Amino acid sequence: GNSVTQMEGPVTLSEEAFLTINCTYTATGYPSLFWYVQYPGEGLQLLLKATKADDKGSNKGFEATYRKETTSFHLEKGSVQVSDSAVYFCALSSYSSASKIIFGSGTRLSIRP
Amino acid sequence: DAMVIQNPRYQVTQFGKPVTLSCSQTLNHNVMYWYQQKSSQAPKLLFHYYDKDFNNEADTPDNFQSRRPNTSFCFLDIRSPGLGDTAMYLCATYWVGSETQYFGPGTRLLVL
Repeated sequence: GNSVTQMEGPVTLSEEAFLTINCTYTATGYPSLFWYVQYPGEGLQLLLKATKADDKGSNKGFEATYRKETTSFHLEKGSVQVSDSAVYFCALSSYSSASKIIFGSGTRLSIRP
Repeated sequence: DAMVIQNPRYQVTQFGKPVTLSCSQTLNHNVMYWYQQKSSQAPKLLFHYYDKDFNNEADTPDNFQSRRPNTSFCFLDIRSPGLGDTAMYLCATYWVGSETQYFGPGTRLLVL
């Protein structure tokens, strides 16, 4: 079945450090891939998405590239800020069940000033 | 401006006392979902509506029910909450073809 595996946290970085959160997936067909962010006490917000191989999603300085050959969708940011502290969820939806999302377990990110 | 609204944001109830959580949307999306999220875990899908068609996940306890009286509103009813039902409950919407679910801010439920 379809699944998402992401880097375990927590991840703690200093402000302005480079961020990578790894995400790999298993899916049949051609899934769409997402990163959602959840700030403390809030719901999930879509951060970025990519719907086909080699697509790059980007938003708020974050980027992720859909790599079909490595079944990966790693999240990166060149210079993190304290305000980026949150939980990040990698997720996929597959064409076969387009209305359902499968989430990874989440990675908690803490940024030190 | 808010697109998916959940009320209340915080709810405290007693063990066994029924509780209803509310979700409304201004997006006119045809699919609505309820998720349960326990601390530091991924959201777990409880059920969803595709228009008026109700779809229950196989492992959703019978204690959880839902109603969708119209396109805009969806309710989560917990008939006899247990301590293990303490969690954040998230509502989300989806429009077929958009490939994106839109989440509300969640209701944090505490069962005492």
